[in-house]
Amino acid sequence: SYELTQPPSVSVSPGQTASITCSGSKLGERYVSWYQQKPDQSPLLVIYQDIQRPSGIPERMSGSNSGNTATLTISGTQALDEADYYCQTWDTPTVVFGGGTKLTVL
Amino acid sequence: QLQLQEAGPGLVKPSETLSLTCTVSGDSINSSTYYWGWIRQPPGRGLESLGTIYYTGSPYYNPSLKTRVDMSVDTSKKQFSLKLSSVTAADTAIYYCARHIVMAASAIDLWGQGTLVTVSS
Repeated sequence: SYELTQPPSVSVSPGQTASITCSGSKLGERYVSWYQQKPDQSPLLVIYQDIQRPSGIPERMSGSNSGNTATLTISGTQALDEADYYCQTWDTPTVVFGGGTKLTVL
Repeated sequence: QLQLQEAGPGLVKPSETLSLTCTVSGDSINSSTYYWGWIRQPPGRGLESLGTIYYTGSPYYNPSLKTRVDMSVDTSKKQFSLKLSSVTAADTAIYYCARHIVMAASAIDLWGQGTLVTVSS
């Protein structure tokens, strides 16, 4: 089965850039989505098809995907960005999620 | 307003079958653009997909749960359903229903609020 690997935690200072990685075999050949989940809330789609932002998602959230690694980048990180982030792709016949990364804004 | 709403028992006994239904409101369930799916999240842990189903009724199940999962869709009621058999405490989780975008590697653009299902005698 296909696996996606994320670091358990990432820390960033307010105003700085946070990068959250997601690794998988030849991941660059697949589309990747990213979700933000705050405590006691359902996940929220923030990036799909590697680089696309849904309506309402701020431009400071961006994505990239190449080789074996996809990256979610949050520029000018704010306290409200503190959350768990999950990457996701499709590996027939199922949806695959990474284990999640807790982003802490110190 | 477009939304998904899960419904079902919050407590299921070990070895029994967990049954949940998701109602789609504000949009059609008969769309070739989307799959409909179930995702769960054990307390304090990550996300796991149980499977997806097309409005025509064609399901795709997570291989690790395939022998215990059954999904169906009722387009007349704008509902889709999940059955998970032979449950154990390990199946205790928040269960979300979701809408997946077919052409975007099943990106999930709409989630239900989630329902906590506890497996306990």
